[in-house]
Amino acid sequence: GQNIDQPTEMTATEGAIVQINCTYQTSGFNGLFWYQQHAGEAPTFLSYNVLDGLEEKGRFSSFLSRSKGYSYLLLKELQMKDSASYLCAVMDSNYQLIWGAGTKLIIKP
Amino acid sequence: EADIYQTPRYLVIGTGKKITLECSQTMGHDKMYWYQQDPGMELHLIHYSYGVNSTEKGDLSSESTVSRIRTEHFPLTLESARPSHTSQYLCASSVGQGDTDTQYFGPGTRLTVL
Repeated sequence: GQNIDQPTEMTATEGAIVQINCTYQTSGFNGLFWYQQHAGEAPTFLSYNVLDGLEEKGRFSSFLSRSKGYSYLLLKELQMKDSASYLCAVMDSNYQLIWGAGTKLIIKP
Repeated sequence: EADIYQTPRYLVIGTGKKITLECSQTMGHDKMYWYQQDPGMELHLIHYSYGVNSTEKGDLSSESTVSRIRTEHFPLTLESARPSHTSQYLCASSVGQGDTDTQYFGPGTRLTVL
């Protein structure tokens, strides 16, 4: 079966750095997406990785290792507004997105 | 910022009623999707469409139907609402070409069936 694993919840301090991990087992791979979802709102696109390595976009970076079936989202200089759920999703061989349950990130002052 | 709209944003309805959730996008995207999401849970794909007159069922059987008569419009209909349909319904669209087929989401409809 297809599976995406992420930690359920993480806590970090304002101004710090946090790394959210995602491991996946899917039938084929056509890219990995990270989305941010604030409570009660829709997911918003953060990043896309299809090749191994690190993609940096401002305070957010995303890393992919296809051989390990592993990705992480790195958030730097955490702000209170970063409190949200972070969803990992993998596009399989049929170009369908397989979604993880999300990691709820709690930022403390 | 994606231009994708959903109405109503909130709906409370009685069991057995027929309801239609509206979704429209102004980006000319070919692919559109309907997801169901319970709080703290993953998104489940209900239906999707590759373009006009194309509809496919996703991995969640929710006793709903969709239509795609126009590129910009992808309504979801529940023929007979049940309490088990209480959830958040999210519509999304994407260009539908290439590997970087990023999905953009509407604000969602929160449905409560009494």
